[in-house]
This record gives sequence, C-alpha cells and structure tokens, in this order.
Amino acid sequence: KQEVTQIPAALSVPEGENLVLNCSFTDSAIYNLQWFRQDPGKGLTSLLLIQSSQREQTSGRLNASLDKSSGRSTLYIAASQPGDSATYLCAAPSGGYNKLIFGAGTRLAVHP
Amino acid sequence: DGGITQSPKYLFRKEGQNVTLSCEQNLNHDAMYWYRQDPGQGLRLIYYSQIVNDFQKGDIAEGYSVSREKKESFPLTVTSAQKNPTAFYLCASSYPGGELFFGEGSRLTVL
Repeated sequence: KQEVTQIPAALSVPEGENLVLNCSFTDSAIYNLQWFRQDPGKGLTSLLLIQSSQREQTSGRLNASLDKSSGRSTLYIAASQPGDSATYLCAAPSGGYNKLIFGAGTRLAVHP
Repeated sequence: DGGITQSPKYLFRKEGQNVTLSCEQNLNHDAMYWYRQDPGQGLRLIYYSQIVNDFQKGDIAEGYSVSREKKESFPLTVTSAQKNPTAFYLCASSYPGGELFFGEGSRLTVL
C-alpha cells in the first residue's frame, strides 16, 4: 500500500532564499508523481507532473526531481517570493493509475 | 475556459439530512474523483469513476454515494450515515494516467 510522507511539515524563510521540499513514497512502482500548490480555503493547483521515465521537470522557478529507486521526489523553489507562500503537496499513484495518495503537505511562509 | 466547477462553495447541513455536492467538468476527461480534506491532513479518496455509469469506492466511501450518468458530471451525496461530515470536499478530473486537475472545493459544515 502506498504511503506518502512530506518533510518538513512547515517552513518559514526570508524572501530570496532557495528552498527544497521533500516527498518520500513507499511503493516505487509508480508511473508518475505530481506536485500541487494549495492556497488557504482553495482547491489544488497542479505545479508539475513527472513521468516515471523522467528524472526532472521544470516550470519557471520550480524544479521537481524524481528518484524511483530511493522512493523520493524533491521540489526546488528558486529565489522564493512572498507570493510562493502556500501549502505544497505531492501525490503518488497506488494500485493503478487512477488512485493518487497525497502527503500531508509542507506549509511554506516566505516573509519580506 | 475549461475547468472544473464545484457548487455550492459553502453548505450547512442539519443532523440527519442528506446533501449533494455538484461537480461539473468541461475538460473532456474520462476520470473523475472526490477527495475529502480535514484540517492539517492530506487528501483522502472517497470515490472515483473511470467511465460513465461506473465508479469505485476509495479509502473512505462509507456514508457517501455517487453517480456518473454523464461524462461531465460526478455528484457526491453525503448521507446521514456519515458520522463526521464536516470537511472540505474536492472534486478532480484527469485523462487516464494523466495530470490531475481540481475544482475550488466545497466546504460542508454540520450544525
């Protein structure tokens, strides 16, 4: 059964810092992994989808890596801004491609 | 604009009442999902549907029911059998094995 863990649970940093958010999963037989952002009281916004054949995926200041053998994915945020403040969640498939298991998220606060 | 529309945004229910949350998508996605989110926790899967007229239970289906009569629509009914229904409910859709897209959510409160 897939389990997804995110570390740290919360992070507070000054503006401009480069950040690394961690996601680990127990079942490495995944076909992709997805990172999301959630603002308070809102739905989830998809940030990056990494296919199992890829090692990295980039979008603007965001870079996500995937290492299936170690069961880990990282989300790198370059030059953080106050607008990046949100909760970041990762999700990995379990028992078939239609069932995603979510981590509890990392709550990020970037202060000016 | 393509997307997923959930309604209502806020809903209040009295004890013993059934309520239905609406989810409509115009992304032409085959698969649709309902998740529940409680404060400080990750999302948990309630039900999912891969095609019209077919759906499967997720991890926490007890006290909930769904239907999939149209590709675009996947309503969720929270029945009186759900003992702790106060939560944030999120609907999502995707192509099989593809990127998951979410609606803005519906917040249900039991009075």
